[in-house]
Amino acid sequence: DVKVTQSSRYLVKRTGEKVFLECVQDMDHENMFWYRQDPGLGLRLIYFSYDVKMKEKGDIPEGYSVSREKKERFSLILESASTNQTSMYLCASIPGLAGAHNEQFFGPGTRLTVL
Amino acid sequence: GNSVTQMEGPVTLSEEAFLTINCTYTATGYPSLFWYVQYPGEGLQLLLKATKADDKGSNKGFEATYRKETTSFHLEKGSVQVSDSAVYFCALSDREQAGTALIFGKGTTLSVSS
Repeated sequence: DVKVTQSSRYLVKRTGEKVFLECVQDMDHENMFWYRQDPGLGLRLIYFSYDVKMKEKGDIPEGYSVSREKKERFSLILESASTNQTSMYLCASIPGLAGAHNEQFFGPGTRLTVL
Repeated sequence: GNSVTQMEGPVTLSEEAFLTINCTYTATGYPSLFWYVQYPGEGLQLLLKATKADDKGSNKGFEATYRKETTSFHLEKGSVQVSDSAVYFCALSDREQAGTALIFGKGTTLSVSS
């Protein structure tokens, strides 16, 4: 059974803290993504990675960074958490170069609250 | 640029009612189209997809047809169940940019009562 797992389902942090969200997939997928989901806004792309050590900015990268040291793991980092980063964070992966019409597999999400 | 517009929710229906959730898109290339569903407390999962014009995707009683002439991919189900209560997202991917992220609509919340 294919799987994308995220390190935490719920997380509460304080303003200014450095926050790490981890995502691991067991499908040997090349492409991995981080989205944030907010009511009325749908899903918005923060960053994606198409290979180890490669990363590309998405639509809303400000305040975030990412790390992809191993193929199966894609980490989202909030350098200094702020209250406007309170959101649901979703990780996804998709196989290879011909991924345009393939299914993206999503993790269960991490609901982050920044106080 | 590419975009997806889907009807605003919430949609509230009684069990066994007919469901339509409208989705239209704007794309420069020849996108693949998807419907994803998010059940309460879970991540998104693929409901159905269509990769070219006139294709019909179907799954769990849901259907959607890729209409190039109207740039639409409306989701339909003939008889909804309480268990269909969820958030539904229409999405597209640009075939010219394989491997890139999906572009999502804002989501439509469906609530079905018995």
